[in-house]
Amino acid sequence: DARVTQTPRDKVTEMGQEVTMRCQPILGHNTVFWYRQTMMQGLELLAYFRNRAPLDDSGMPKDRFSAEMPDATLATLKIQPSEPRDSAVYFCASGLVFRGGGDEQFFGPGTRLTVL
Amino acid sequence: SQQGEEDPQALSIQEGENATMNCSYKTSINNLQWYRQNSGRGLVHLILIRSNEREKHSGRLRVTLDTSKKSSSLLITASRAADTASYFCATEFQGAQKLVFGQGTRLTINP
Repeated sequence: DARVTQTPRDKVTEMGQEVTMRCQPILGHNTVFWYRQTMMQGLELLAYFRNRAPLDDSGMPKDRFSAEMPDATLATLKIQPSEPRDSAVYFCASGLVFRGGGDEQFFGPGTRLTVL
Repeated sequence: SQQGEEDPQALSIQEGENATMNCSYKTSINNLQWYRQNSGRGLVHLILIRSNEREKHSGRLRVTLDTSKKSSSLLITASRAADTASYFCATEFQGAQKLVFGQGTRLTINP
């Protein structure tokens, strides 16, 4: 049963610390997405990759967030330094997207980040 | 904003009744998708409808799409307590190849 996995599931850290979230997409999917969900803003797209290449990270605060995909089985989202306003649930999703449009996205269980 | 708007924000009905949620958007789309999220969990894909389709069914779910009105609706028939969740519409705008999610409808099914 293929699924997207994310680690850690929960992370509590102090302001100023570095946070790294990891995602293993479903094998064979060509696109990986990072989302952030908060009560106030809802579900926001932070960045996404196609065939491991970054396509759009316009939703991400550039000064402190970075997203990478070092290989086809791993995507990372890093926050350095973290701030209390970064507290949210971060979701990774993967799917198949072609020139004519995309298909369904498969979401991981999320990482609940709390920055004190 | 390109974000879809969902209506209502919250809906509470009795088990066995039908639930209808609506989604409106602003620009032309490739497809529109509906997702469900149980509290504290990831989103689960329910149904995808493409811009050249008007209606799709999946089990107790029926989705309609009216591109002239830029709106979609999700109907859940014969609701069950297990249908209690938040439901999101997500639109893939033409040329974007990414999804923009609405704020969601919180559905509560009372036994």
